[in-house]
Amino acid sequence: NAGVMQNPRHLVRRRGQEARLRCSPMKGHSHVYWYRQLPEEGLKFMVYLQKENIIDESGMPKERFSAEFPKEGPSILRIQQVVRGDSAAYFCASSRGTDFIGGGIYEQYFGPGTRLTVT
Amino acid sequence: KQEVTQIPAALSVPEGENLVLNCSFTDSAIYNLQWFRQDPGKGLTSLLLIQSSQREQTSGRLNASLDKSSGRSTLYIAASQPGDSATYLCAPYRTSGSRLTFGEGTQLTVNP
Repeated sequence: NAGVMQNPRHLVRRRGQEARLRCSPMKGHSHVYWYRQLPEEGLKFMVYLQKENIIDESGMPKERFSAEFPKEGPSILRIQQVVRGDSAAYFCASSRGTDFIGGGIYEQYFGPGTRLTVT
Repeated sequence: KQEVTQIPAALSVPEGENLVLNCSFTDSAIYNLQWFRQDPGKGLTSLLLIQSSQREQTSGRLNASLDKSSGRSTLYIAASQPGDSATYLCAPYRTSGSRLTFGEGTQLTVNP
Protein backbone atom coordinates (compact mmCIF):
# COMPACT_ATOMS: atom_id res chain seq x y z
CA ASN A 1 0.00 0.00 0.00
CA ALA A 2 1.70 3.14 -1.18
CA GLY A 3 1.94 5.97 1.28
CA VAL A 4 0.92 9.56 0.77
CA MET A 5 2.47 10.83 -2.43
CA GLN A 6 3.38 14.40 -3.18
CA ASN A 7 4.74 15.91 -6.33
CA PRO A 8 6.82 17.57 -7.30
CA ARG A 9 9.31 17.00 -4.49
CA HIS A 10 11.13 20.21 -5.36
CA LEU A 11 9.68 23.19 -7.14
CA VAL A 12 11.40 26.42 -8.14
CA ARG A 13 9.33 29.40 -9.16
CA ARG A 14 10.13 33.01 -9.90
CA ARG A 15 8.30 35.76 -8.11
CA GLY A 16 4.89 36.30 -9.63
CA GLN A 17 4.50 32.79 -11.06
CA GLU A 18 2.00 30.20 -9.92
CA ALA A 19 2.85 27.09 -7.93
CA ARG A 20 0.74 23.93 -7.98
CA LEU A 21 1.42 21.26 -5.41
CA ARG A 22 -0.21 17.85 -5.66
CA CYS A 23 -1.06 15.31 -3.02
CA SER A 24 -2.40 11.81 -3.53
CA PRO A 25 -3.69 10.35 -0.25
CA MET A 26 -3.19 6.81 0.85
CA LYS A 27 -5.59 4.28 -0.62
CA GLY A 28 -8.86 4.35 1.26
CA HIS A 29 -8.24 7.78 2.76
CA SER A 30 -10.76 10.49 2.02
CA HIS A 31 -9.43 13.24 4.26
CA VAL A 32 -6.50 15.46 3.32
CA TYR A 33 -4.62 18.08 5.33
CA TRP A 34 -2.01 20.58 4.21
CA TYR A 35 0.71 21.94 6.48
CA ARG A 36 3.50 24.41 5.86
CA GLN A 37 6.96 24.50 7.41
CA LEU A 38 8.72 27.81 6.96
CA PRO A 39 12.51 27.88 7.36
CA GLU A 40 13.50 27.62 11.03
CA GLU A 41 9.84 27.40 12.08
CA GLY A 42 7.49 24.65 13.13
CA LEU A 43 4.80 23.00 11.08
CA LYS A 44 1.62 25.01 10.76
CA PHE A 45 -1.79 23.78 9.69
CA MET A 46 -3.20 25.33 6.53
CA VAL A 47 -6.34 23.53 5.37
CA TYR A 48 -8.39 20.37 5.84
CA LEU A 49 -10.41 18.91 2.98
CA GLN A 50 -12.65 16.01 2.26
CA LYS A 51 -13.65 14.98 -1.24
CA GLU A 52 -15.14 18.07 -2.93
CA ASN A 53 -15.38 19.96 0.37
CA ILE A 54 -13.20 22.34 2.31
CA ILE A 55 -13.81 21.60 5.97
CA ASP A 56 -11.40 23.98 7.69
CA GLU A 57 -9.30 26.60 5.94
CA SER A 58 -8.61 28.74 8.95
CA GLY A 59 -4.84 28.36 8.50
CA MET A 60 -4.75 29.49 4.90
CA PRO A 61 -3.45 32.94 4.03
CA LYS A 62 -6.37 35.07 2.90
CA GLU A 63 -4.96 35.88 -0.49
CA ARG A 64 -3.23 33.97 -3.27
CA PHE A 65 -3.66 30.52 -1.68
CA SER A 66 -6.36 28.01 -2.54
CA ALA A 67 -6.89 24.28 -2.16
CA GLU A 68 -9.14 21.68 -3.66
CA PHE A 69 -9.75 17.95 -3.40
CA PRO A 70 -11.87 16.90 -6.39
CA LYS A 71 -13.96 13.78 -6.61
CA GLU A 72 -11.33 12.26 -8.88
CA GLY A 73 -7.64 12.94 -8.73
CA PRO A 74 -5.21 14.40 -6.23
CA SER A 75 -5.64 17.30 -3.88
CA ILE A 76 -4.10 20.51 -5.21
CA LEU A 77 -2.62 23.39 -3.24
CA ARG A 78 -2.34 26.41 -5.50
CA ILE A 79 -0.31 29.51 -4.79
CA GLN A 80 -0.76 32.40 -7.17
CA GLN A 81 1.78 35.16 -7.72
CA VAL A 82 4.34 33.61 -5.43
CA VAL A 83 6.61 35.76 -3.30
CA ARG A 84 9.90 34.91 -1.57
CA GLY A 85 8.10 34.48 1.74
CA ASP A 86 6.23 31.50 0.28
CA SER A 87 9.47 29.52 0.15
CA ALA A 88 8.86 26.61 2.50
CA ALA A 89 8.23 22.89 2.73
CA TYR A 90 4.60 22.00 2.15
CA PHE A 91 3.40 18.74 3.62
CA CYS A 92 0.25 16.84 2.91
CA ALA A 93 -1.28 14.31 5.28
CA SER A 94 -4.22 11.98 4.87
CA SER A 95 -6.45 9.98 7.15
CA ARG A 96 -9.20 7.46 6.74
CA GLY A 97 -11.94 9.54 8.28
CA THR A 98 -13.42 10.89 11.43
CA ASP A 99 -13.72 9.05 14.73
CA PHE A 100 -15.20 5.65 14.32
CA ILE A 101 -17.91 4.02 16.34
CA GLY A 102 -16.70 2.34 19.47
CA GLY A 103 -13.96 4.82 20.06
CA GLY A 104 -10.64 5.25 18.45
CA ILE A 105 -9.44 7.64 15.88
CA TYR A 106 -7.69 7.61 12.58
CA GLU A 107 -4.18 8.97 12.63
CA GLN A 108 -2.73 11.22 9.97
CA TYR A 109 -0.02 9.93 7.66
CA PHE A 110 2.35 12.41 6.07
CA GLY A 111 3.84 12.62 2.63
CA PRO A 112 7.49 13.51 1.91
CA GLY A 113 6.68 17.14 1.23
CA THR A 114 7.21 19.58 -1.60
CA ARG A 115 10.01 22.07 -1.12
CA LEU A 116 9.11 25.31 -2.83
CA THR A 117 11.81 27.84 -3.58
CA VAL A 118 10.85 31.25 -4.90
CA THR A 119 13.65 33.15 -6.60
CA LYS B 1 -5.55 28.91 20.91
CA GLN B 2 -3.52 25.76 21.33
CA GLU B 3 0.13 26.22 22.18
CA VAL B 4 2.61 23.38 22.27
CA THR B 5 6.02 23.56 23.94
CA GLN B 6 8.75 20.98 23.64
CA ILE B 7 11.68 20.77 26.00
CA PRO B 8 14.58 20.55 25.46
CA ALA B 9 14.93 22.23 22.08
CA ALA B 10 18.10 20.24 21.43
CA LEU B 11 19.73 17.26 23.04
CA SER B 12 23.03 15.52 22.39
CA VAL B 13 23.74 12.22 24.11
CA PRO B 14 26.17 9.33 23.79
CA GLU B 15 24.91 6.10 22.33
CA GLY B 16 23.19 3.80 24.80
CA GLU B 17 21.65 6.45 27.03
CA ASN B 18 18.02 6.45 28.01
CA LEU B 19 16.37 9.80 27.46
CA VAL B 20 13.13 11.68 27.91
CA LEU B 21 11.58 14.28 25.65
CA ASN B 22 8.89 16.54 27.03
CA CYS B 23 5.82 18.07 25.45
CA SER B 24 3.31 20.39 27.09
CA PHE B 25 0.14 21.89 25.65
CA THR B 26 -2.41 24.45 26.77
CA ASP B 27 -5.72 23.12 25.45
CA SER B 28 -7.30 21.06 28.19
CA ALA B 29 -9.79 19.53 25.74
CA ILE B 30 -7.09 17.48 24.06
CA TYR B 31 -8.03 13.85 23.67
CA ASN B 32 -5.24 12.41 21.57
CA LEU B 33 -1.59 12.96 20.82
CA GLN B 34 0.85 11.82 18.18
CA TRP B 35 4.62 11.72 18.30
CA PHE B 36 6.56 12.02 15.06
CA ARG B 37 10.15 12.05 13.95
CA GLN B 38 11.43 14.18 11.11
CA ASP B 39 14.76 13.54 9.43
CA PRO B 40 16.50 16.47 7.73
CA GLY B 41 14.87 17.32 4.42
CA LYS B 42 12.31 14.57 4.84
CA GLY B 43 8.69 14.16 5.80
CA LEU B 44 7.22 13.07 9.11
CA THR B 45 7.12 9.52 10.34
CA SER B 46 4.47 8.70 12.91
CA LEU B 47 5.97 6.99 15.93
CA LEU B 48 3.18 6.61 18.44
CA LEU B 49 -0.45 7.59 18.76
CA ILE B 50 -2.00 7.86 22.22
CA GLN B 51 -5.76 7.91 22.08
CA SER B 52 -8.11 9.39 24.63
CA SER B 53 -8.77 6.05 26.29
CA GLN B 54 -5.07 5.38 26.80
CA ARG B 55 -2.45 6.80 29.09
CA GLU B 56 0.55 5.44 27.29
CA GLN B 57 1.74 3.56 24.25
CA THR B 58 4.83 1.50 23.56
CA SER B 59 6.60 0.57 20.37
CA GLY B 60 9.94 -1.16 20.62
CA ARG B 61 12.34 1.12 22.49
CA LEU B 62 9.84 3.97 22.55
CA ASN B 63 7.28 4.67 25.22
CA ALA B 64 4.99 7.67 25.27
CA SER B 65 2.67 8.78 28.04
CA LEU B 66 -0.13 11.30 28.10
CA ASP B 67 -1.46 13.22 31.11
CA LYS B 68 -4.36 15.28 29.86
CA SER B 69 -5.11 16.86 33.21
CA SER B 70 -1.68 18.47 33.39
CA GLY B 71 -1.32 18.98 29.65
CA ARG B 72 1.85 16.94 29.33
CA SER B 73 3.27 14.10 27.31
CA THR B 74 6.65 12.45 27.49
CA LEU B 75 8.50 10.33 24.97
CA TYR B 76 10.96 7.91 26.49
CA ILE B 77 13.67 6.42 24.29
CA ALA B 78 15.56 3.49 25.72
CA ALA B 79 19.11 2.55 24.77
CA SER B 80 19.46 5.33 22.21
CA GLN B 81 21.24 4.64 18.91
CA PRO B 82 22.82 6.95 16.30
CA GLY B 83 19.90 6.09 13.99
CA ASP B 84 17.59 7.80 16.47
CA SER B 85 19.13 11.16 15.56
CA ALA B 86 16.29 13.30 14.21
CA THR B 87 13.87 16.01 15.24
CA TYR B 88 11.02 14.72 17.40
CA LEU B 89 7.67 16.47 17.21
CA CYS B 90 4.58 16.11 19.34
CA ALA B 91 1.12 17.03 18.11
CA PRO B 92 -1.94 17.00 20.35
CA TYR B 93 -5.43 17.13 18.86
CA ARG B 94 -9.04 16.61 19.73
CA THR B 95 -10.49 14.18 17.25
CA SER B 96 -9.89 12.69 13.83
CA GLY B 97 -10.35 15.42 11.33
CA SER B 98 -8.82 17.97 13.65
CA ARG B 99 -5.74 19.91 12.75
CA LEU B 100 -2.51 18.84 14.36
CA THR B 101 -0.78 21.58 16.30
CA PHE B 102 2.94 21.01 16.41
CA GLY B 103 5.60 22.04 18.86
CA GLU B 104 8.94 23.37 17.62
CA GLY B 105 10.44 19.95 18.20
CA THR B 106 13.42 18.49 20.01
CA GLN B 107 16.50 18.00 17.86
CA LEU B 108 18.18 14.83 19.07
CA THR B 109 21.73 13.82 18.26
CA VAL B 110 22.99 10.44 19.43
CA ASN B 111 26.75 10.20 19.18
CA PRO B 112 28.43 6.85 18.49
